[in-house]
Amino acid sequence: QVQLQGSGPGLVKPSQTLSLTCTVSGGSISSGYYYWSWIRQPAGKGLDWVGRISTTGNTNYNPSLESRVTISVDTSKNHFSLNLTSVTAADTAVYYCARFGSGTTAFDIWGQGTMVTVSS
Amino acid sequence: EIVLTQSPATLSLSPGERATLSCRASQSVSNYLAWYQHKPGQAPRLLIYDSFNRATGIPARFSGSGSGTDFILTIGSLEPEDFAVYYCQQRYSWPDSFGQGTRLEIK
Repeated sequence: QVQLQGSGPGLVKPSQTLSLTCTVSGGSISSGYYYWSWIRQPAGKGLDWVGRISTTGNTNYNPSLESRVTISVDTSKNHFSLNLTSVTAADTAVYYCARFGSGTTAFDIWGQGTMVTVSS
Repeated sequence: EIVLTQSPATLSLSPGERATLSCRASQSVSNYLAWYQHKPGQAPRLLIYDSFNRATGIPARFSGSGSGTDFILTIGSLEPEDFAVYYCQQRYSWPDSFGQGTRLEIK
């Protein structure tokens, strides 16, 4: 079955760019109609939707982050990526990649999560 | 943005008891509401989508109900593995939003 695995640096300096990748295994990222999404969770807080990209390349971002976030897909590598610029300590969180399914119309598959700390 | 408010924040129950978790939306989300279970160090797990549909592999003791602004997740008879944090999430209005979570702990 489809599985997601997030990866990327665990430490990013303030004002720099946070870059994470989510690799899809067990299926093609370009088959079917899904939204490939990023969701984050600051320590001790709830889940916060970051943004998504569809299998057709359409993107949607949380308005609170829209000026700083870019999500892209690389079908040749079967992965999608998150770039978040000008990070601050407030961006410290566990970042999850997830699939939003057209059948379940919910986040039906999640990666394990990548802890990212913003600190100098 | 639609705000989802979950109650209670913490629920203390014993195995075998029935759990009732609430999620209230700041405006109608029709039946476009999902529930997730989240354990420390693990990825969240989809339980219920579109208010009452159980996701694949989810035991029948988990059930969802509600529409509009008020939703309930019921766990019929708690098993030891059910103690976790539960989140509701709406997809009716972009951006998607999550509730702040209900922690279900062992009494």
